[in-house]
Amino acid sequence: ETGVTQSPTHLIKTRGQQVTLRCSSQSGHNTVSWYQQALGQGPQFIFQYYREEENGRGNFPPRFSGLQFPNYSSELNVNALELDDSALYLCASSPKFDRAGGYTFGSGTRLTVV
Amino acid sequence: LAKTTQPISMDSYEGQEVNITCSHNNIATNDYITWYQQFPSQGPRFIIQGYKTKVTNEVASLFIPADRKSSTLSLPRVSLSDTAVYYCLVGNDMRFGAGTRLTVKP
Repeated sequence: ETGVTQSPTHLIKTRGQQVTLRCSSQSGHNTVSWYQQALGQGPQFIFQYYREEENGRGNFPPRFSGLQFPNYSSELNVNALELDDSALYLCASSPKFDRAGGYTFGSGTRLTVV
Repeated sequence: LAKTTQPISMDSYEGQEVNITCSHNNIATNDYITWYQQFPSQGPRFIIQGYKTKVTNEVASLFIPADRKSSTLSLPRVSLSDTAVYYCLVGNDMRFGAGTRLTVKP
């Protein structure tokens, strides 16, 4: 079975631009979560999708938005990029949304905003 | 949502056993406890999950007392490659804290 795949692995954007990050969930997983991880900090929860619906959101402004597709792949969109958006963005998938956790993470997308 | 508390950092030497304790005082009845390991510039990796008493796999053991208000991740005979950040999460609350930065020295 394949793991969680994220693309691109790295990218550089200019302040004010928009960016779309992509995530392919592990086969059989229908729940996906996105995280932002700044250098030296733990991953910060952005939001979670379950069966194409947003199912929980962290303390991030509306310019962070997402989508989950019927095949359970997902996108994270960030509008009006700011310098502080520079971080490692992680996607994690799980076979089901319940209390017995156990998520599989991708290797992340390193976003640099200049 | 259960909040977790872990030590910020720990040092150890190769071959020693390392125990990292996580406090989760308001854990819910149905919550599982899950530990992740993260190396620099990589996503966290699932290590172990448990509900009560003791769970062991090929990588680690997880000890959970009867009141479940804490848990201890035990890494037997650590090596330099175990240097990483370790996170404790409770239930389906996929919100990470700062984790415990473990440094294994030769």
